[in-house]
Amino acid sequence: AQSVTQPDIHITVSEGASLELRCNYSYGATPYLFWYVQSPGQGLQLLLKYFSGDTLVQGIKGFEAEFKRSQSSFNLRKPSVHWSDAAEYFCAVGLNYNNNDMRFGAGTRLTVKP
Amino acid sequence: NAGVTQTPKFQVLKTGQSMTLQCAQDMNHEYMSWYRQDPGMGLRLIHYSVGAGITDQGEVPNGYNVSRSTTEDFPLRLLSAAPSQTSVYFCASSLTSGGGDTQYFGPGTRLTVL
Repeated sequence: AQSVTQPDIHITVSEGASLELRCNYSYGATPYLFWYVQSPGQGLQLLLKYFSGDTLVQGIKGFEAEFKRSQSSFNLRKPSVHWSDAAEYFCAVGLNYNNNDMRFGAGTRLTVKP
Repeated sequence: NAGVTQTPKFQVLKTGQSMTLQCAQDMNHEYMSWYRQDPGMGLRLIHYSVGAGITDQGEVPNGYNVSRSTTEDFPLRLLSAAPSQTSVYFCASSLTSGGGDTQYFGPGTRLTVL
């Protein structure tokens, strides 16, 4: 079945440490890939997206993600985490080039220790 | 520019009651959508609209109605609430339905059905 998997439900990192959030998908073709962040009490905000081209994508707030076709993965990274990065992070996959056909992962909650 | 606004923020209903969740955007976006977010699951699309007077079903439309009489507003109606509709509801909008257009999300409505 088609799916988007975020293996880590909850991750805790220390402020200043590096971060990697995992996302795997299972679809036949290369989908369109997104990462969103949801701060407490807020709606989702787009961090970055991949459609084609360079497999390393830069986003807002110092985040980047790398698409690896062979592993069907689109992991999110940040070299140095700030306390304000504490939030829930969602990976999403677009099955076609339409916003009405996206599938979201269940999310990874990030806690940042001082 | 308020972006995407949703009212109310919280609502408690009894089984069988009806209510309307309000969503408005002031960005002149053609595309608007409703998602629900349940624990341990990603966002799932309920209904969407590609313009005034045009609506369509998403992944989980049962129990919900929508209409789009203006570009700005996209209300979601629960005709007869059920406990299975307890969820957090997000409205989103984008300039068009194309995946290249960023979706902007409202802050959500937390609905509890007793």
